[in-house]
This record gives sequence, structure tokens and C-alpha cells, in this order.
Amino acid sequence: EPEVTQTPSHQVTQMGQEVILRCVPISNHLYFYWYRQILGQKVEFLVSFYNNEISEKSEIFDDQFSVERPDGSNFTLKIRSTKLEDSAMYFCASSEKGGARQPQHFGDGTRLSIL
Amino acid sequence: ILNVEQSPQSLHVQEGDSTNFTCSFPSSNFYALHWYRWETAKSPEALFVMTLNGDEKKKGRISATLNTKEGYSYLYIKGSQPEDSATYLCAFNSNYQLIWGAGTKLIIKP
Repeated sequence: EPEVTQTPSHQVTQMGQEVILRCVPISNHLYFYWYRQILGQKVEFLVSFYNNEISEKSEIFDDQFSVERPDGSNFTLKIRSTKLEDSAMYFCASSEKGGARQPQHFGDGTRLSIL
Repeated sequence: ILNVEQSPQSLHVQEGDSTNFTCSFPSSNFYALHWYRWETAKSPEALFVMTLNGDEKKKGRISATLNTKEGYSYLYIKGSQPEDSATYLCAFNSNYQLIWGAGTKLIIKP
């Protein structure tokens, strides 16, 4: 069964450094998402992406965050200048179609630790 | 601020017993309610997407119901098995954003 893959599984970065989290969505999916879960807290929506544009973003997704689909397969989340509070599990998801009624398929996540 | 609540936070169930837990969500601006199953060290797996008031969906021993007027959904597991041990998350979709509950952690005791 096709799956969403994320790399790396764990990233350790010094505060202030840039980090790029990578995702390969399911190949025929057109809608892409990033979520994060800070330890002990709920999963939070960050951003949705379709047709090479951000469709929607949350308040968390400020100017230090950006997303990109650099080629036909990868979908990346960049954090420009990391802060301690960026430490979290980051999940990528994709769906074949858009809209509230479409199930989203998730990767295994990248654990980001900021020192 | 939209909030999704799940109860209980955790649940220990004897193997073979049936169980259920609740997701409460805002009853306005409803588009869909998603249920996911999340095993430790794996990715969340979509179980159901529920859209209509009164919906009932079933997948094997797991089923879910939806009441959009009062803002709740129940997830039922019949005849629990050890492999059902996981965290069950619900997520409310109001406008392309999934707003998540904190999950119910289910532990099946053999």
C-alpha cells in the first residue's frame, strides 16, 4: 500500500539554525499538509498546500516557516531560525482530493529536537 | 477558539470486552469529523470520515456514530483484541483545517 514517507526520523539542531524536514507524499495525491505535536499536547495544524500554493495556514505558521514542493515528489517544511519551542514531532500528510471530507494519509513523523 | 474534547483520556479494557469513547466538537460550522487510530511509533491511520448527522460507519469490529446537532461522536470497539491497543484521535474539520482532540489511549489487557 502506498505510504507517505518522512525524513529524517529524528533531527537534532542548535537553536537559531535552519532546518528542513522532508516528506514524500503518496504519488497521486495533490493536497499536502504539515502538522506538529509538542510533547504532551494536541496535534496542531500548520499548513495546507495545493497547486504549488499555500491553501491555508494556522497562526503557528509564521514568517519563520515556509513550505515548498521543489520537484514532483518532495514536499518540504523549512524552519528558518529555530527556537527551543519548535521542538516537536512534525507530521506530513497528503490526500488525493481536497476538502473536509477527504481522509488524510500521514507519515511516521520527524522528531525535531532543538538544543 | 474551536476545541475538540475526547474522553476518557485513557482506558484499560480486558481482552474480549467491548468499549466505547467519546469525541465532543463544536456543533456549528461542521464539515466533517475524522477518526484516526495511532499506534506508538507509527503514523496515524484514518479510520472514518463522518459527515452526516446520524451517520454510522463500521470497519470490522470498530464502528462510529455521529450527532452533529449536539456535537459528539462515539467510537465503539466490539470484542477488544490486543492489537486494538492504540491512541484513538478524533479531528473536527471546519474549513480544511483538522482540529484535533487529545486522544483516548486504549490499552487492552490480555
